[in-house]
Amino acid sequence: QSALTQPPSASGSPGQSVTISCTGTSSDVGRYNYVSWYQQHPGKAPKLMIYEVTERPSGVPDRFSGSKSGNTASLTVSGLQAEDEADYYCCSYAGSNIYVFGTGTRVTVL
Amino acid sequence: EVQLVESGGNLVQPGGSLRLSCAASGFSLSSYWMTWVRQAPGKGLEWVANIKQDGSEKYYVDSVRGRFTISRDNAKNSLSLQMNSLRTEDTAVYFCARRSYGSYGYWGQGTLVTVSS
Repeated sequence: QSALTQPPSASGSPGQSVTISCTGTSSDVGRYNYVSWYQQHPGKAPKLMIYEVTERPSGVPDRFSGSKSGNTASLTVSGLQAEDEADYYCCSYAGSNIYVFGTGTRVTVL
Repeated sequence: EVQLVESGGNLVQPGGSLRLSCAASGFSLSSYWMTWVRQAPGKGLEWVANIKQDGSEKYYVDSVRGRFTISRDNAKNSLSLQMNSLRTEDTAVYFCARRSYGSYGYWGQGTLVTVSS
């Protein structure tokens, strides 16, 4: 049940794209397509941005997209906007009804 | 409108106990797995425990297994987390969340648990 590995920080200028990686193992990210991504602003509850690796909930802008290759999942935010500045966490099913979150990435809009 | 509202957070001494509650509204609690997630001050999210729709299956992260107990009362639209033998490292904001399609689309606002002497 080790946390998934994310880079501590990422940044980009408005309008640019930023991609956040989420590295797990063949027992979690690599095995299951239950990878989700969450955005969290300071003092707020997390918000679901991507589920089942690539799916976007209703209301989430199509600037947010997800993918997966092997044991690594990725979240890409295109056309960065000021309101995208937040912490982002991945989460993966790890079998036996256990889930694990990533270490988190702070995205800064320059 | 789906709403989850946690309560019960407080200051407690190491070794003490606390019971958190999560009141659900706007949906049928009995149709969903429910989960507790915590976040220590300035730290990341940590999955804590989840419980099946009918309460027949419960799963925990290793660090709380044997000390925490997740339960639910579908008739009262309520989820609970009984926390015993609390440690300083259990200090965190505790969120309840509704699971669907292997993800958490609805969260409460969180309740703060502080374990300190």
